[in-house]
Amino acid sequence: TQLLEQSPQFLSIQEGENLTVYCNSSSVFSSLQWYRQEPGEGPVLLVTVVTGGEVKKLKRLTFQFGDARKDSSLHITAAQPGDTGLYLCAGAGGTSYGKLTFGQGTILTVHP
Amino acid sequence: DADVTQTPRNRITKTGKRIMLECSQTKGHDRMYWYRQDPGLGLRLIYYSFDVKDINKGEISDGYSVSRQAQAKFSLSLESAIPNQTALYFCATSVAAGETQYFGPGTRLLVL
Repeated sequence: TQLLEQSPQFLSIQEGENLTVYCNSSSVFSSLQWYRQEPGEGPVLLVTVVTGGEVKKLKRLTFQFGDARKDSSLHITAAQPGDTGLYLCAGAGGTSYGKLTFGQGTILTVHP
Repeated sequence: DADVTQTPRNRITKTGKRIMLECSQTKGHDRMYWYRQDPGLGLRLIYYSFDVKDINKGEISDGYSVSRQAQAKFSLSLESAIPNQTALYFCATSVAAGETQYFGPGTRLLVL
């Protein structure tokens, strides 16, 4: 069974601060997806990283896939209250063909 | 209109009752999934279907059953609900393995 360990589980910060969320595994994934979920809604894809060492930017969000494709990080610069939500990483491929393996999620709260 | 819809959005039931959660999609995707979400545990896969004739158990299928009535419809049943099945349930679709999953808005289930 593949596992994705996501940390931290909770993050409470002030507007303007930077933060990083980590997603780690002992397994290799063919790709890693990051989703964001708001209350009362289902998760929505933010980005997919495919190549080891790949870095993708989405405005103030920077996503990185580890060289060995076992880990990933999400960095938010100058967080805003609108960034508040649940962030989930999900790995595809490896021994879980056809399915995604989700991390436990990080609940981010950005205070004005 | 939403591409993936779930009914009901909220449900309260009693221990021992049989209930069905329904999912419909207009995305034309062959692959459909049922997850449950509990605080601190991320999304856990209950069942998944790669097409109308293909149904597979996920990591937590005990106590659940599914029916794929058509490409667009995938239903989840709890034959005899128990309190620890209280959770948020999500349906999702994807076009292929490892691709983006599109989630419905979720069904909040409370088993008394």
